[in-house]
Amino acid sequence: GAGVSQSPSNKVTEKGKDVELRCDPISGHTALYWYRQSLGQGLEFLIYFQGNSAPDKSGLPSDRFSAERTGGSVSTLTIQRTQQEDSAVYLCASSLRSQINQPQHFGDGTRLSIL
Amino acid sequence: DQQVKQNSPSLSVQEGRISILNCDYTNSMFDYFLWYKKYPAEGPTFLISISSIKDKNEDGRFTVFLNKSAKHLSLHIVPSQPGDSAVYFCAASAQGTSYGKLTFGQGTILTVHP
Repeated sequence: GAGVSQSPSNKVTEKGKDVELRCDPISGHTALYWYRQSLGQGLEFLIYFQGNSAPDKSGLPSDRFSAERTGGSVSTLTIQRTQQEDSAVYLCASSLRSQINQPQHFGDGTRLSIL
Repeated sequence: DQQVKQNSPSLSVQEGRISILNCDYTNSMFDYFLWYKKYPAEGPTFLISISSIKDKNEDGRFTVFLNKSAKHLSLHIVPSQPGDSAVYFCAASAQGTSYGKLTFGQGTILTVHP
């Protein structure tokens, strides 16, 4: 498919475990973004990557969260020592570039449940 | 603090009538605004956007209006169709973050009745 692909679509894990969420952006898109949506809330910005520039990590809620983007394409969001408040839908988006008039296109998300 | 607010959690309209979804923002640095539609278990889908140099942008049945002095934008859907039933999010960004960081409202659930 031509859209943003995320895996897994659902993840259930025990509190304290580490999780990795994967995002494959649209081919040719140089900008990649991570958001999360907690129950009943709007989307909350986490981090974004633009080409080879240093990522904007200003939305990461704690140092348990990290993300990397290898080869300018696939990205992995890692949450260490998960807590119940980390339960949310994690959404990835990509755009041609991070600039005005380049809307972000979203994947269907990973629903993370921490028991 | 909630920099983008959608004060109506839900809206119900009859098919064929106009749907008006509202959004307010507080950060005067925002200069690019977007509307997204979201169905359950799917990611948000981009609908329409507007930059702060305009006060109106139209795309088919969808029109977005921006009132910078009031820090208010609205999305008009005319005519509304049952397939428009979804959650609508407004979002804002700023040149200062290279438009990379979208700040979202909490969403409005639109229900269009046949």
